[in-house]
Amino acid sequence: DGGITQSPKYLFRKEGQNVTLSCEQNLNHDAMYWYRQDPGQGLRLIYYSQIVNDFQKGDIAEGYSVSREKKESFPLTVTSAQKNPTAFYLCASGGLTRPYNEQFFGPGTRLTVL
Amino acid sequence: GQQVMQIPQYQHVQEGEDFTTYCNSSTTLSNIQWYKQRPGGHPVFLIQLVKSGEVKKQKRLTFQFGEAKKNSSLHITATQTTDVGTYFCAIILTGGGNKLTFGTGTQLKVEL
Repeated sequence: DGGITQSPKYLFRKEGQNVTLSCEQNLNHDAMYWYRQDPGQGLRLIYYSQIVNDFQKGDIAEGYSVSREKKESFPLTVTSAQKNPTAFYLCASGGLTRPYNEQFFGPGTRLTVL
Repeated sequence: GQQVMQIPQYQHVQEGEDFTTYCNSSTTLSNIQWYKQRPGGHPVFLIQLVKSGEVKKQKRLTFQFGEAKKNSSLHITATQTTDVGTYFCAIILTGGGNKLTFGTGTQLKVEL
């Protein structure tokens, strides 16, 4: 069953703690992306990666970090430096073989900072 | 950078009424994609438009790309409760990586 998985679905964190969100895909996609969605708003790009061991900052990268050690995996760490981390985090993947490729999204992780 | 403005922000309709959401850009777009996000869910790709004046249909959904490639619309005929959700347009940015910039979305509510 091909797709993208994210875990956990819900995550609670105390202020000052780092937390890592998991994202795995078995679609053999080269590119992976992390977005943040706040209530009633669109999606904003945090980081993206086109190839293993390489990634680039998106529009709102401050306070976040990523790694891409395997093609299938693109974990996101929300650090204590992120001032307002409570949000819905969505991971996506997509191909790079055509000029324009759609993205496939995982089910998301809802992070709440207590 | 390139941005798309999406209107309206919200739309309430009675079941059976039509619905339209619009995306507008001040610059010429190379493409536009449309996604649907059900309440509590994740965005799901609906369609991509690339050609000037392009019109594509998916059952009750009609997608249009303007002649000048600066605007796009999604029209739903005879809405059903299954159409409830937020509809986003998105454009692929230049610079590689197939990065998407999303519109702010139109939240559709359908009442019986």
